[in-house]
Amino acid sequence: EIVMTQSPATLSVSPGERATLSCRASQTVHYNLAWYQQKPGQAPRFLIYAASIRATGIPSRFSGSGSGTDFTLTINSLQSEDSAIYYCQQYTDWPRTFGQGTKVEIK
Amino acid sequence: QVHLQESGPGLVKPSGTLSLTCAVSGDSLSNSIWWNWVRQPPGKGLEWIGEIWHSGSTFYNPSLKSRVAFYMDKSKNQFYLELTSVSAADTAVYYCATNRGNGLDVWGHGTTVSVSS
Repeated sequence: EIVMTQSPATLSVSPGERATLSCRASQTVHYNLAWYQQKPGQAPRFLIYAASIRATGIPSRFSGSGSGTDFTLTINSLQSEDSAIYYCQQYTDWPRTFGQGTKVEIK
Repeated sequence: QVHLQESGPGLVKPSGTLSLTCAVSGDSLSNSIWWNWVRQPPGKGLEWIGEIWHSGSTFYNPSLKSRVAFYMDKSKNQFYLELTSVSAADTAVYYCATNRGNGLDVWGHGTTVSVSS
């Protein structure tokens, strides 16, 4: 099983600043990495796939990068509505596995 | 636009069987899509349960494989989850979702299941 590790667990960022979230895989997942945003009481929202491609309707301030085992989700010009938990997931192998999540708080 | 709606009993007794339905609209179970189940225990992260292909092929999380089964009814455009021998550890919000090859792109709103006597 591929283990996905996210860091930090919590990130506190001021509005307008940049948030940088990390996701590391225990073995290569190539580019088969997705990011999701989840707000309290809501289902996860599909943000990024293939490591760097924004899903339909996702604002351009969200960007993904990386390949192999190390990935980054960057949120530029952080807005209050970006307060959420962000999960990465690999889909290169079964079982599909999620990271434990990074909580982004607005200062 | 595909829409997924989970349904099922909100309460299941310990050692019983949890049965959930995901009703699909706006797409067909016959299309080349992996139909997924994901769960989230209270206050915890996301756990992938498994997925079923339009042909009926399945992949399950090894941690649940001995207790879980997926089915689909193409005539109703619904797919199903059955989880046997449940315990309090199976208390969670259960989501169905689609995977067209690049992650879970569409999710249902989720249904809460509590395991308690």
